[in-house]
Amino acid sequence: DQQVKQNSPSLSVQEGRISILNCDYTNSMFDYFLWYKKYPAEGPTFLISISSIKDKNEDGRFTVFLNKSAKHLSLHIVPSQPGDSAVYFCAARAAGNKLTFGGGTRVLVKP
Amino acid sequence: ETGVTQTPRHLVMGMTNKKSLKCEQHLGHNAMYWYKQSAKKPLELMFVYNFKEQTENNSVPSRFSPECPNSSHLFLHLHTLQPEDSALYLCASSQDASGGAYEQYFGPGTRLTVT
Repeated sequence: DQQVKQNSPSLSVQEGRISILNCDYTNSMFDYFLWYKKYPAEGPTFLISISSIKDKNEDGRFTVFLNKSAKHLSLHIVPSQPGDSAVYFCAARAAGNKLTFGGGTRVLVKP
Repeated sequence: ETGVTQTPRHLVMGMTNKKSLKCEQHLGHNAMYWYKQSAKKPLELMFVYNFKEQTENNSVPSRFSPECPNSSHLFLHLHTLQPEDSALYLCASSQDASGGAYEQYFGPGTRLTVT
C-alpha cells in the first residue's frame, strides 16, 4: 500500500499563473517532507522541504504547505514559468533518512 | 566532475550475465543510497549506506548485491536478473543518514534492460 500518494498524474497551467501540486500520506511517523523536480534523462533535483513542526516554508516562487491533521501537503509555484515543466515528486522521510516517494505529477507550463 | 555521477547510463544485459553499476559522489557526503524506479511506479528505496556501513536493505532480492568501499563510491552488482528487474536505477547521497534532515542528491540514473 502506497504511503505517499500524488493523485494527479498531470497538470497543465498557463505561464504566469499558479501551479498547485498535492500530496497525501498515511504514515504519521514521517517527520520531514520534500519536493523534488525531475527533467527527462536527469535524476531528481531537490526543490524545497518542510519539517513536520512547521506548516509553511517559502523559497522564492516555491511554497510548501503542510496540514498534519489531514496528512496533506501541497506545493505552490507562482508565477509558473515554462522552465518549470517537469515531473514533481513528493517525498516523506522516516528515521534513517529513508525517503518514500509519491508517483509524481507531470507539470506542463504553457507559454 | 561534480555532484553525483553514475555509470553506465544505459545497460542491456541477459539474464545469465553479471554486471555492475557504479555511483560516485563528489559532495563529501557520508551516506549513499540505491533507488529503483520501475515503469509507472514510484521511486523505491533499495539500500542505504551510512559511513560505509549498510543500514537498510528494503527486502531486496539477493540477485542485487551492493558494495560501498568508501563514502564516495557505491556499486550495485547484478547477477541472474529477471526481465521485471528492468528499470531506472538511481543513486543518491546525503550528508548523513542518521538524525537530522539531510536532503538527498541524486545521480542521473542507469537505465537497465534485462533481456
